[in-house]
Amino acid sequence: GIQVEQSPPDLILQEGANSTLRCNFSDSVNNLQWFHQNPWGQLINLFYIPSGTKQNGRLSATTVATERYSLLYISSSQTTDSGVYFCAVESSNYKLTFGKGTLLTVNP
Amino acid sequence: NAGVMQNPRHLVRRRGQEARLRCSPMKGHSHVYWYRQLPEEGLKFMVYLQKENIIDESGMPKERFSAEFPKEGPSILRIQQVVRGDSAAYFCASSKQGKNTEAFFGQGTRLTVV
Repeated sequence: GIQVEQSPPDLILQEGANSTLRCNFSDSVNNLQWFHQNPWGQLINLFYIPSGTKQNGRLSATTVATERYSLLYISSSQTTDSGVYFCAVESSNYKLTFGKGTLLTVNP
Repeated sequence: NAGVMQNPRHLVRRRGQEARLRCSPMKGHSHVYWYRQLPEEGLKFMVYLQKENIIDESGMPKERFSAEFPKEGPSILRIQQVVRGDSAAYFCASSKQGKNTEAFFGQGTRLTVV
């Protein structure tokens, strides 16, 4: 099956810093989503982005499908951005395959 | 417009008991998926259902686990004779279509087997 690799596995930032999270995948995809799992365990949809670039406030994402990677940018990070960021892809069927996530800690 | 609703949020069961997890999809969504998140692991697909049909249960353990999505009412994930290894967070997701479409997740049910 398709492999999804996320980097870095852990990231510690000071409030106000910027960061880039990466997601590599091993095959062509029909769907790619970014999620934020907050400290209460809730999975929050950030982006549905099988290709191209999208922006939502301080967050933006870019997927280069031909090169099999996606990037999530967080600018001016806040303590509420802390949590685990997951990339998930759908290849030839409807199942989402998740990466292992990036654990982000934003310190005040 | 309510999101995907799961209940209960937390469930404690003794070994050997049954666990029932409920999921109501978003309004207008007829495709439901269950995922499991074990400690220190990412989320893994378990089962995909449409109304009254199981489309794919390839990720579900062969024994003790079952799922349904009846014509009326929520989708149910049932775990019989729970064991400690079943302790995990169980997430339900829904979408409008089965493929090439955004999936939305519920808040999850955290099952603890004591």
